Amino acid sequence: DAKTTQPNSMESNEEEPVHLPCNHSTISGTDYIHWYRQLPSQGPEYVIHGLTSNVNNRMASLAIAEDRKSSTLILHRATLRDAAVYYCIRHQGAQKLVFGQGTRLTINP
Amino acid sequence: DTEVTQTPKHLVMGMTNKKSLKCEQHMGHRAMYWYKQKAKKPPELMFVYSYEKLSINESVPSRFSPECPNSSLLNLHLHALQPEDSALYLCASSRFLGVTNEKLFFGSGTQLSVL
Repeated sequence: DAKTTQPNSMESNEEEPVHLPCNHSTISGTDYIHWYRQLPSQGPEYVIHGLTSNVNNRMASLAIAEDRKSSTLILHRATLRDAAVYYCIRHQGAQKLVFGQGTRLTINP
Repeated sequence: DTEVTQTPKHLVMGMTNKKSLKCEQHMGHRAMYWYKQKAKKPPELMFVYSYEKLSINESVPSRFSPECPNSSLLNLHLHALQPEDSALYLCASSRFLGVTNEKLFFGSGTQLSVL
């Protein structure tokens, strides 16, 4: 199964770090882990992706476990604009990106 | 320009109507996608085009007919839809198909209501 496992929902406070977990226990060696987020009334938006080592960009950091069976998306200082559904996707390169159920992140002021 | 533009943003149609959804990108991407998203559910892949040729059809009913007239445009023709086809239809593009570190760029979608 190409889908990943994420908590249905998480809650955090503004200006605090947020760690969003994802399990992908059947991942194979060439699959990239991608994260997208979908704000209300918008299409999904790319956040970050990685293969083995940790990755950083202006939006977030991605920490990938050494065995690659799990990963964590880190938002360093959450803002109200980060409230969205976050999707962790295992990109198998078999020509398609399959979305799992995602985590609905709520940020409290 | 890193945008994928979808028109119209909203569409209401009857079950006997014929309508089309349009998607446009000017990033030089050679792969284009249609996804369908029901409320509070994840997007589900419908079709993928690569170099203007249909590469993937996820067993979508024939009342949905995709078309890729050129590398910048993607259409979805709708005919004899059912109320359960009401959903957000998302278009996306990527530089290439089948590359695991390629990212997708999504449009804001067309919210379709079938009466």
